Amino acid sequence: QQQVKQSPQSLIVQKGGISIINCAYENTAFDYFPWYQQFPGKGPALLIAIRPDVSEKKEGRFTISFNKSAKQFSLHIMDSQPGDSATYFCAAINTDKLIFGTGTRLQVFP
Amino acid sequence: DAGITQSPRHKVTETGTPVTLRCHQTENHRYMYWYRQDPGHGLRLIHYSYGVKDTDKGEVSDGYSVSRSKTEDFLLTLESATSSQTSVYFCAISLDRGDQPQHFGDGTRLSIL
Repeated sequence: QQQVKQSPQSLIVQKGGISIINCAYENTAFDYFPWYQQFPGKGPALLIAIRPDVSEKKEGRFTISFNKSAKQFSLHIMDSQPGDSATYFCAAINTDKLIFGTGTRLQVFP
Repeated sequence: DAGITQSPRHKVTETGTPVTLRCHQTENHRYMYWYRQDPGHGLRLIHYSYGVKDTDKGEVSDGYSVSRSKTEDFLLTLESATSSQTSVYFCAISLDRGDQPQHFGDGTRLSIL
């Protein structure tokens, strides 16, 4: 049972464009929503995270938008670069357990 | 990178054999986790530990056991490996309870023939 649904599965963006990845959840007990970036052959690395009392968090070119009433959150990558090409996972915390989305493979072409 | 070492990094074994994967941390973090990563499923939690000798089950714990006798080491054991356990296994650590950032190792690619 997938508690965190992520879309799209794959995304192709031109350099300089905006990449948008969406996630939705059902469990209102989730209280921490991180995004992870994973390059081939490496483990996921924390990119940015948000708590449900905040509607938006920005770190450099990366922004999380959070809609608590809709139980949705999204990652926006502004001015996407080829170096951003990776797999991105949204996640949510349920008690001490991190529940991951299924991942989005982002490819940014020059 | 956080001080997390997974060993071995690659392993090929046969169905029915026991397999143990090791995760070693140098950060003195309280929480340690084992995940498996499969296409179309993302990362799924197998077991986690919140202290020495304190462990709990995750989403996909059947067929796996864990042990943590020291703060720095968390072992994952497949008592009798099956082909469905072919996967990439990741260890993660976090300083305190689960809502703190988790830092991941670089994974162990396990193939069971």
